[in-house]
Amino acid sequence: DAKTTQPPSMDCAEGRAANLPCNHSTISGNEYVYWYRQIHSQGPQYIIHGLKNNETNEMASLIITEDRKSSTLILPHATLRDTAVYYCIVKPSNAGNMLTFGGGTRLMVKP
Amino acid sequence: KAGVTQTPRYLIKTRGQQVTLSCSPISGHRSVSWYQQTPGQGLQFLFEYFSETQRNKGNFPGRFSGRQFSNSRSEMNVSTLELGDSALYLCASSLTSGTTGELFFGEGSRLTVL
Repeated sequence: DAKTTQPPSMDCAEGRAANLPCNHSTISGNEYVYWYRQIHSQGPQYIIHGLKNNETNEMASLIITEDRKSSTLILPHATLRDTAVYYCIVKPSNAGNMLTFGGGTRLMVKP
Repeated sequence: KAGVTQTPRYLIKTRGQQVTLSCSPISGHRSVSWYQQTPGQGLQFLFEYFSETQRNKGNFPGRFSGRQFSNSRSEMNVSTLELGDSALYLCASSLTSGTTGELFFGEGSRLTVL
């Protein structure tokens, strides 16, 4: 499976957009990009996923580069409740529900 | 609708004992996955069950086992507990397996081995 690289930590001001990068330069054609987050002491929460097109839902937007080697998760208006560890995961479509979590990015939203 | 329910939420065992953890998935979900989270190793996949069959297995010793019942509820068992088994064990459910569905995680069972 392709591995992902994320910065270990980031800060963001409340109300501003949070842009979380992820590098997955060895991604294969059948691998999807998933984003999950984990708020302290809770189970991970699904945010969004995509294959090659940009995706948007009520929580966030996912921008995938044309060569698919990197992606950016955008939280348009970060709030204090968005403080969490964000995980970028690459998963083949034939891997069932086996997610390989890396270290993630610890996002701190500050007032 | 009710989320993923894991029991017990906290438990303490001693080395050599065994433990069974339970997971009730969201109604209608047929896939249940288990993950272990430790400060040192992070989140690691244990196994996945779909329609009572193990679909995938992570790189864990045979002391870790699981099963799924016909109502999709799942249990995992750890035998001959070691100190290093102290962790948060997370269960996740999904409608299907192998497609692009999202996983819904429970709040976990925190196991402490003394």
